[in-house]
This record gives sequence, C-alpha cells and structure tokens, in this order.
Amino acid sequence: QVQLQESGPGLVKPSETLSVTCGVSGYLISYGYSWGWIRQPPGKGLEWIGGIYHSGGSSSTSYNPSLKSRVAISVDTSMNQFFLRLTSVTAADTAVYYCVRAPLRVNDDGDGVPGFRFDDWGRGILVTVSS
Amino acid sequence: DIQMTQSPSSLSASVGDRVTITCRASQTVITLNWYRLRPGKAPEFLISGAFTLRSGVASRFSTSESGTDFTLTLSSVQPEDFATYFCQQTDTTPPTFGQGTRLEIK
Repeated sequence: QVQLQESGPGLVKPSETLSVTCGVSGYLISYGYSWGWIRQPPGKGLEWIGGIYHSGGSSSTSYNPSLKSRVAISVDTSMNQFFLRLTSVTAADTAVYYCVRAPLRVNDDGDGVPGFRFDDWGRGILVTVSS
Repeated sequence: DIQMTQSPSSLSASVGDRVTITCRASQTVITLNWYRLRPGKAPEFLISGAFTLRSGVASRFSTSESGTDFTLTLSSVQPEDFATYFCQQTDTTPPTFGQGTRLEIK
C-alpha cells in the first residue's frame, strides 16, 4: 500500500522560496502513476498546484496557470521522492500542502500526462509564510 | 476555470441519518470526484462519477447527477463520516474543487 509523507520547513519568509518534499513508500514513483501537489489555505478550499509524470528518464509536468510562473515540481527516483518549489512567496501562500498520487491521463497525442483523480494523499504539512 | 459550488457549507446529522451534499458546476462537467477530509488524517478519494467507488469505501456512499448538478449521498451516516467533503471536476486544466461541506455531529 502506497504511503506519502510531506516534509519541509514549517515557516518561510516572504519573497523566499518554499520547498516541500514528498517521500513515497510502497510504490516506485517511476512506474505508471503521476504525482502532484494540492494546497488548502486556512479556512479555504483546495487548490491544485500541479503534477508530474516521470518515466524513462524524462518528465512531463502540468501546472495551475495561476501559479505556473512560480512553481516547479521535480522527482528524485533514487530516493523515491518528489518535490515542490514555490518562489517569491507571500502570506497568501500560507497553506497546508498535500502530496498526492494520481492515475495518468492520456493526452490527444497519446502520451501519458499527470492525472486529475487523486487516489492517495499524504497527511499534509502546514507551511506559514511570515517574517 | 470551471467553478464548483457546493451546498450546504455545513450540516448537522446524527449517526444513522441520510444526508445529501450538492455540487454545481459553472459549465458542463463529465467527471466529478468526491473526497473526504478528516482532521489529522490523510484526505481520501471516495467515488468518481456515478459508478467508480474506491476500493474499500463503504457502499453507503452514492452519487447522482442532473445536468450540472451533482450529489453525494450517505445513506446512513457513521461516526467516521463526520468530516469535510469536497467535490472536484477533472475535465479541464486546472482541476477545481468545491469549497467543501462540513458534516458535523448533531
């Protein structure tokens, strides 16, 4: 059974970069699923940040257009982990950040791309942006 | 982005009650997922569309749809069901969620 665990600093200063790691156990991240990030600001709803599908040494990513200029998702297959980086953070980026696993979608070209049904979740990590 | 509007934002129920949560999409949506968030636990995917109940999820959860309105029904609320429920559309990028419905103990 797959398990996901978020880790990282709980406090980030405004204008700095938020970095969160998701450790995966029970499943190899390079085998057949996509991996992503979702966040929930305090008292608000869920927001999809983006996802990644990694296979054969190459990656396919998909990001929320509202965050695309500031976000990057990457993987480390040797450690079976994947990462979220969000640059130039403000207080509006304060949220619980969840890592997720999603079945692949197939795009119009027949390629596997990050999916949008989030089958498995970590428990989340609260990241506060404050000076 | 497709806007998903959930109602009610909260409701109270007793164990054994039947409850219904509604999600309305701002435009036609083909596939809608439902999730349950319990404090201190990892969120759970429950059901997709009208037929795909996640393995291990109790059959007391069911869904229906009419146009752009989707409903999640719990036929008999159990103690572990007191949580917040979110709907989510998968048709477009970005996938978007409703604002959540909090189910509380009466």
